[in-house]
Amino acid sequence: QKEVEQDPGPLSVPEGAIVSLNCTYSNSAFQYFMWYRQYSRKGPELLMYTYSSGNKEDGRFTAQVDKSSKYISLFIRDSQPSDSATYLCAMSTQGGSEKLVFGKGMKLTVNP
Amino acid sequence: ETGVTQSPTHLIKTRGQQVTLRCSSQSGHNTVSWYQQALGQGPQFIFQYYREEENGRGNFPPRFSGLQFPNYSSELNVNALELDDSALYLCASKKREVGDTQYFGPGTRLTVL
Repeated sequence: QKEVEQDPGPLSVPEGAIVSLNCTYSNSAFQYFMWYRQYSRKGPELLMYTYSSGNKEDGRFTAQVDKSSKYISLFIRDSQPSDSATYLCAMSTQGGSEKLVFGKGMKLTVNP
Repeated sequence: ETGVTQSPTHLIKTRGQQVTLRCSSQSGHNTVSWYQQALGQGPQFIFQYYREEENGRGNFPPRFSGLQFPNYSSELNVNALELDDSALYLCASKKREVGDTQYFGPGTRLTVL
């Protein structure tokens, strides 16, 4: 079993839809959870960064962490064509010198 | 755009050759990590450098090596290239503080023929 599992999709939605992206993990030591957005042939761009369980909202994006279920989610409201990208979940055991463990990435297309 | 830069943007090598990739970290960042991202996969951690010393390593063979310089820039060296080394190589920098996360550069795309 991989440490982090993410449905690779692809996912195609109409403009304005609510998008839900999810990851599960097996390592209960993970405490820091991130979502990165990666456009084609670019480096990952940090979208959301949360510590432990709970919700965090930033504009149209909401990140949720449920450590009891080992499950994290990213919600995108009022999705736009510019949101079309690959979304990667990542997590780590510490906030310092640790490595990030990534999911496989979900390719999202938002159609006008 | 983060302040992390990488060079070259892309390059092509043949099996058995050696390659050096370079990274300049974001201003104020003292820790550099390298990741390998194969096509259709998430990035895989190679190693991390702090104060010019390797500070954690993923499941990569010794022919993957690195350096960090006093100005916190870094190099990734890969010897005896194999076809499976074809990937996007990402550099990420951060401050060595709890709560700070990693900011990625645009990557170097390596093709091994």
